[in-house]
Amino acid sequence: AQSVSQHNHHVILSEAASLELGCNYSYGGTVNLFWYVQYPGQHLQLLLKYFSGDPLVKGIKGFEAEFIKSKFSFNLRKPSVQWSDTAEYFCAVNANSGNTPLVFGKGTRLSVIA
Amino acid sequence: DGGITQSPKYLFRKEGQNVTLSCEQNLNHDAMYWYRQDPGQGLRLIYYSQIVNDFQKGDIAEGYSVSREKKESFPLTVTSAQKNPTAFYLCASSIGAEGSREKLFFGSGTQLSVL
Repeated sequence: AQSVSQHNHHVILSEAASLELGCNYSYGGTVNLFWYVQYPGQHLQLLLKYFSGDPLVKGIKGFEAEFIKSKFSFNLRKPSVQWSDTAEYFCAVNANSGNTPLVFGKGTRLSVIA
Repeated sequence: DGGITQSPKYLFRKEGQNVTLSCEQNLNHDAMYWYRQDPGQGLRLIYYSQIVNDFQKGDIAEGYSVSREKKESFPLTVTSAQKNPTAFYLCASSIGAEGSREKLFFGSGTQLSVL
């Protein structure tokens, strides 16, 4: 079974600071990787996803993530955060075979202060 | 306006009572899911269904039941056997054709509390 670890529970950054949120997964096979975001009062929505190919994927709102297979990691990055990036971020994984449901990490709450 | 509708937004349960959370989608998606969200716990899968009249248990199915009689509907019943039902419940759907790669569309959630 897959599992996902997000090591940072709460991250506080000033505007314009760089962001990196860690995500590690546990699974021996090929995986699909996702980052979802939950803005205050809004639905969970997809930020970006990785299936295969270029391990550096770009998503919405200037976010990107890099898949490092040897480290079982899929860290989320943004060069310069804005106040509007304040949200909870969830990393998720499923096996790249069949219709297996997503397994989510515990989430990282990001607070961006002016 | 396509999407997923969850109702009610807030629900209160008395001890020993079963309650049912509604989830309806008009996206024509095959797959539907129920997740439970607790503070600091992320999302945990309760049940999912990939096709009408079929569903599978997730990681924390005990104390819950579901049905999938129609493609657009996937109600979740929280039974009296669920000893810690207070949580935020999220319903989601995906196209399902290549389910493992498809993004999930989420509803706005139902907050269930025990009186």
